Amino acid sequence: QQQVKQSPQSLIVQKGGISIINCAYENTAFDYFPWYQQFPGKGPALLIAIRPDVSEKKEGRFTISFNKSAKQFSLHIMDSQPGDSATYFCAASTANQAGTALIFGKGTTLSVSS
Amino acid sequence: DTEVTQTPKHLVMGMTNKKSLKCEQHMGHRAMYWYKQKAKKPPELMFVYSYEKLSINESVPSRFSPECPNSSLLNLHLHALQPEDSALYLCASSHGISAFFGQGTRLTVV
Repeated sequence: QQQVKQSPQSLIVQKGGISIINCAYENTAFDYFPWYQQFPGKGPALLIAIRPDVSEKKEGRFTISFNKSAKQFSLHIMDSQPGDSATYFCAASTANQAGTALIFGKGTTLSVSS
Repeated sequence: DTEVTQTPKHLVMGMTNKKSLKCEQHMGHRAMYWYKQKAKKPPELMFVYSYEKLSINESVPSRFSPECPNSSLLNLHLHALQPEDSALYLCASSHGISAFFGQGTRLTVV
């Protein structure tokens, strides 16, 4: 009930291509879905997030698509660049109060080849 | 300003040592967190402080002792750790929705 399932585990994309990472959840109480980007030896950085009242959110080359009925959400990275090579984590939580912990997916290691 | 500052960046300690990790944020966030992250794994929640009170303890061994002296500071006191406790320790803060992580402390127990 508390899990967030993330796929694929690893992804290789050519420069300029589209990277797509998928996540699925079971707990319908989740109402906040962020994506984090993490470079080796660094902390996760908040990349983009969505609430279930919208089906898509775009920030620059990064887009979240959200399907409430399927309980799935995905991250699309357009025009992928070598600098995007990192580990990406999806997460979910209930956003209504301070101190609500994030439930993370297992992560996707993205490599963008030049 | 979305900065969470953690010190030290790296720490090597023996199994009989006592050390502390420090975390500071000045965003006015009222929730602060400690996470542990092993290589190639997601962050794993350890503790949550909400309004300076411990609200979640994820069954963490007593050799890890959190402390929240005020709304901007969070400490993690370490004592008698084991080699398997070697990991990246991450602090985060949030106020409602978005959680922001520090750069972490890379801890090695020898």
